[in-house]
Amino acid sequence: GEDVEQSLFLSVREGDSSVINCTYTDSSSTYLYWYKQEPGAGLQLLTYIFSNMDMKQDQRLTVLLNKKDKHLSLRIADTQTGDSAIYFCAIFTGGYNKLIFGAGTRLAVHP
Amino acid sequence: GAGVSQSPSNKVTEKGKDVELRCDPISGHTALYWYRQSLGQGLEFLIYFQGNSAPDKSGLPSDRFSAERTGGSVSTLTIQRTQQEDSAVYLCASSLVSRGGDTQYFGPGTRLTVL
Repeated sequence: GEDVEQSLFLSVREGDSSVINCTYTDSSSTYLYWYKQEPGAGLQLLTYIFSNMDMKQDQRLTVLLNKKDKHLSLRIADTQTGDSAIYFCAIFTGGYNKLIFGAGTRLAVHP
Repeated sequence: GAGVSQSPSNKVTEKGKDVELRCDPISGHTALYWYRQSLGQGLEFLIYFQGNSAPDKSGLPSDRFSAERTGGSVSTLTIQRTQQEDSAVYLCASSLVSRGGDTQYFGPGTRLTVL
């Protein structure tokens, strides 16, 4: 079946860039999403990318997609303490009416 | 406009009791999804509704779980004879139309604790 994998933890210093990586197995993935979850809160959509794109930039966020390697990344520039959260990669596949989520990457930002 | 809302925000129940969780999707959204977030299992798809079509129940973990969507809007997820392993955060999401790229917007979730 479909699988989405992420590293579980990332620690960065405030002001540095953060890069969160995600790999997936389903080559028919059409749309790929990044969601953010803060403690006790629901999932907040951060950004998404179509499968026919290589890159998308949205303010401090840059999404890179390598379809050949089935690798998705989220770069957060100038990381702030308010960026501390769990970041979920999710894919929407053509054959299934659902999102497949990774396990989430916990981003910790320290001074 | 209002986002997806869910109630209750927290529910504590005793093993063996039935519970009902409610989801109010964004107005006009025709697709509605239920997911479950639990330790060790991550985020799991449970069920999906699209308009008047038969729901996709492929993610429901057992026949104790059921869901309905009345009038194409509000949805209720029912868990009968709750077990401790049902303890999780139940998330509802809605999207404008169910096809690739129609972004799913999530509610805050209902945290269910089964004692």
